[in-house]
Amino acid sequence: GNSVTQMEGPVTLSEEAFLTINCTYTATGYPSLFWYVQYPGEGLQLLLKATKADDKGSNKGFEATYRKETTSFHLEKGSVQVSDSAVYFCALDSGGSNYKLTFGKGTLLTVNP
Amino acid sequence: KAGVTQTPRYLIKTRGQQVTLSCSPISGHRSVSWYQQTPGQGLQFLFEYFSETQRNKGNFPGRFSGRQFSNSRSEMNVSTLELGDSALYLCASSLRVQGAGGEAFFGQGTRLTVV
Repeated sequence: GNSVTQMEGPVTLSEEAFLTINCTYTATGYPSLFWYVQYPGEGLQLLLKATKADDKGSNKGFEATYRKETTSFHLEKGSVQVSDSAVYFCALDSGGSNYKLTFGKGTLLTVNP
Repeated sequence: KAGVTQTPRYLIKTRGQQVTLSCSPISGHRSVSWYQQTPGQGLQFLFEYFSETQRNKGNFPGRFSGRQFSNSRSEMNVSTLELGDSALYLCASSLRVQGAGGEAFFGQGTRLTVV
C-alpha cells in the first residue's frame, strides 16, 4: 500500500535559518504530493503541491520538488520566521476515483527569535 | 468563499454514548472525506463520500459510520464510544471527481474527548 515517511521532529531553529524537512514516499502509479501545515488548535492548511515528476511546488517562501527517481518531496525554506512554527505534514494522493490522502507522521517545527 | 465548516468544535462524551459530527463543505465541492488525528496514530483516513455515496473506507470498526446529504453536507457518527476514540476529527472537501488533482481543503476539526 501507499506510505509516507517524513523526518522525526521536533526541529528547532533560530529565525532566518535554513529549513529542510525530508519526505519520501511509496506508491503505485503517479501520485500527487502535498505539504500541509497545522497551527496550534487549527485544521490543516495546504502549503504547496506537485502533481507530476520534476514539478516544483512553492508558496510563502517554501519549496518542494517532486523527485520520482528518489521518491522524495523534501520541504525547504531559505529563511524561517517565528510565525512558521507549526506541524508540517507530507501527504500523497494516489489518484483514481477513490480520493484518499496518506499522511506522514508530521514534523513539529519551532522557530526561536 | 466560505471554507469547510465543522460543528461542534469541541465535544465531551461518556464511554458508551454515541456522537454525531457535522461537516459543511466548500460550495460546489461534492467530495467529503473524514480523518481521525491522534498523537499516537497521526492522521488516519476514515471514509470519503461523493454524491451521497461512500467511495472509500479506511480501516476502522463498524462503530464509525457516515453519510452525505444531497447538498453535500456530511455527518459522521461514532457509536458506543471508547476512551481511544478521543481525537481531533477533521473533515476535508474537494472538487475532485476522479483521477488525480483537486486538493483537499480542511475544516478546523472537532475535538472529541471521551471520559
